[in-house]
Amino acid sequence: AQSVSQHNHHVILSEAASLELGCNYSYGGTVNLFWYVQYPGQHLQLLLKYFSGDPLVKGIKGFEAEFIKSKFSFNLRKPSVQWSDTAEYFCASDQTGANNLFFGTGTRLTVIP
Amino acid sequence: KAGVTQTPRYLIKTRGQQVTLSCSPISGHRSVSWYQQTPGQGLQFLFEYFSETQRNKGNFPGRFSGRQFSNSRSEMNVSTLELGDSALYLCASSLQGGSPLHFGNGTRLTVT
Repeated sequence: AQSVSQHNHHVILSEAASLELGCNYSYGGTVNLFWYVQYPGQHLQLLLKYFSGDPLVKGIKGFEAEFIKSKFSFNLRKPSVQWSDTAEYFCASDQTGANNLFFGTGTRLTVIP
Repeated sequence: KAGVTQTPRYLIKTRGQQVTLSCSPISGHRSVSWYQQTPGQGLQFLFEYFSETQRNKGNFPGRFSGRQFSNSRSEMNVSTLELGDSALYLCASSLQGGSPLHFGNGTRLTVT
């Protein structure tokens, strides 16, 4: 069965530190991959997506993610975090063409000013 | 463009009752998906509708059902509520299958 794993449950960083959140998916076929963010009190928003092509994708607010097929990974990165990045981050995947997203359990990021 | 609208925002129901949640997608979006979010299980897919037809269904009991109307608005119904149904129910819309989902703020259901 398709699944997504996020190994970091809670990450605490100081402002300006670099961020990398891990995400691994299990489906062996063609997948679409996503990172969503949920700021406190707000709805889930799309940060970035990978459908095909360049495995390094850039999203909003300086975030990027790299699709590594051999490792079934899609890690999220940001070179320098800000206090406003405090939020919960969800990795998700679906089989190409389906709208049945499998979400990871989420990683809570706390950025200390 | 208005976002995905879910009503009501909060609901309190008693075990055994039934509940209907409503979702209005972004204008022009024909796909509507429903997810349940709980602290223990995270985000879990319930079902997806496209042009009034259920295309995908998650692993939830038959007490959970939904429908989509010709204007793409969708409703989700949960019958014979159980305490474990307490959750945030999220609706998401997209243009078509495979395109990014746009989520609403959710309906928080509490079953007592």
